[in-house]
Amino acid sequence: DIQMTQSPSSLSASVGDRVTITCRASQNITRYLNWYQQKPGKAPNLLIYAASSLQSGVPSRFSGSGSGTDFTLTINSLQPEDSAAYYCQQSDSIPPTFGQGTKVEIK
Amino acid sequence: EVQLAESGGDLVNPGGSLRLSCAASGFTFSDYTMNWVRQAPGKGLEWVSSISSSSSYIYYADSMKGRFTISRDNAKNSLFLQMNSLRAEDTAVYYCARVFASGSPFDCWGQGTLVTVSS
Repeated sequence: DIQMTQSPSSLSASVGDRVTITCRASQNITRYLNWYQQKPGKAPNLLIYAASSLQSGVPSRFSGSGSGTDFTLTINSLQPEDSAAYYCQQSDSIPPTFGQGTKVEIK
Repeated sequence: EVQLAESGGDLVNPGGSLRLSCAASGFTFSDYTMNWVRQAPGKGLEWVSSISSSSSYIYYADSMKGRFTISRDNAKNSLFLQMNSLRAEDTAVYYCARVFASGSPFDCWGQGTLVTVSS
């Protein structure tokens, strides 16, 4: 199975800050990397697919980059509603696997 | 509107069985591979199982093989998960989620249904 490792596991940032979350795959997954946001008590919501494509309806302050084994989710100008957990997930091979999550808190 | 709605979660004794359902609406259900993904309390996301659009291809996470059975009824736009020999560690919110094609993301999720395994 492909292991996905996210860092950091949590972070605290202020409104307006730029936030970066990284995700590393244990083997080459080309660009088969997706990012999800999950708020407490809610289902995950797709933000970014294929490493850098923005899902319809997702604010443009979210962006993704990377290929191969190293990927990044960036939130430009953090907003209060961005307080959530963020997960990366590889869709290169079965079983699909998720990172352990990054909890983003607003200071 | 695209919607997935799970049901069937309950409190069940260790060793017991439960059948989860997921009702789909707002899209052509038979075009999509469907999945179950679970989340234990306070933990991350764990993929459980997937079934291709025509049920030709079925996959399970290793820890669920032999205990869980995924199925679907395209005529009724429904997905199912039969869970047997349940263990305390199966306690989780179970989500159904769709995938359009191999390599695609989980682009739509249900609200989840809680399964609690405890005596």
